[in-house]
Amino acid sequence: GDSVTQMEGPVTLSEEAFLTINCTYTATGYPSLFWYVQYPGEGLQLLLKATKADDKGSNKGFEATYRKETTSFHLEKGSVQVSDSAVYFCALSVAGGSEKLVFGKGMKLTVNP
Amino acid sequence: DAGVIQSPRHEVTEMGQEVTLRCKLISGHNSLFWYRQTMMRGLELLIYFNNNVPIDDSGMPEDRFSAKMPNASFSTLKIQPSEPRDSAVYFCASSLRMSGGETQYFGPGTRLLVL
Repeated sequence: GDSVTQMEGPVTLSEEAFLTINCTYTATGYPSLFWYVQYPGEGLQLLLKATKADDKGSNKGFEATYRKETTSFHLEKGSVQVSDSAVYFCALSVAGGSEKLVFGKGMKLTVNP
Repeated sequence: DAGVIQSPRHEVTEMGQEVTLRCKLISGHNSLFWYRQTMMRGLELLIYFNNNVPIDDSGMPEDRFSAKMPNASFSTLKIQPSEPRDSAVYFCASSLRMSGGETQYFGPGTRLLVL
C-alpha cells in the first residue's frame, strides 16, 4: 500500500543552520505530496504542497521539490530560526482522487539561539 | 474566518465513562476527518466523511468508538466505554473536496486522559 518514510529525529540545530528533512514515498499512481508542521500544543497546519512531478512547493523559506524519479519530497530551509521549532510531517494523498492522507511518523526539530 | 473548532480542548475522565468529542467544520467544507495522535503510534486516521457520509472507517479501533455527522457542519466522536489506552490527542480536520489532493485544515485537538 501507499506509505511515507521520513527522518524521525529528534534533531537539534543552531539558529541560521541549514535544514534538510528527507522524505520518500511509495504509491500507486501519482499522489499529491505535502509537508505539514505542528507547533507545540497545536494542530497540524499545511506548510507546502506539490501536486505533480517537478513541482516545487515553498512557504516561509521552506522548499520541497516533487521528484518522481527518486520518489522523494525532501524539505529544505537555508537558515532556520528558533520559531521553526516544531514537528514536521511528510504526507501523500492517495492517488485516484481520494482525500485520504498517509502521514510519515513526524520529525521533531528544535532550534537553539 | 474561523478555523476548525474542537471541544473540549481537554478532557479527563475515568475508565468506563462515555466521552464525546465535538468538531465544527470550516464553513463550506464538505469533508471531515478524525485522527488520533499518540507517542507510540503517531498520527492515525480513524474515519472520514464526505458530504455527511462515512467513506472510510477502517481506522476505528473497535466498536467502542463511533462517529457521526448530524449535519454538514458538525461531527461527534464518541467513546463508550472509555479505557486508559484511549488516552491521546484527537484531531479533526476538514477540507473542500474537489478532485483530490486537497489541503486538510486541522483543529487544535482534544487532549483526552482516561484514568
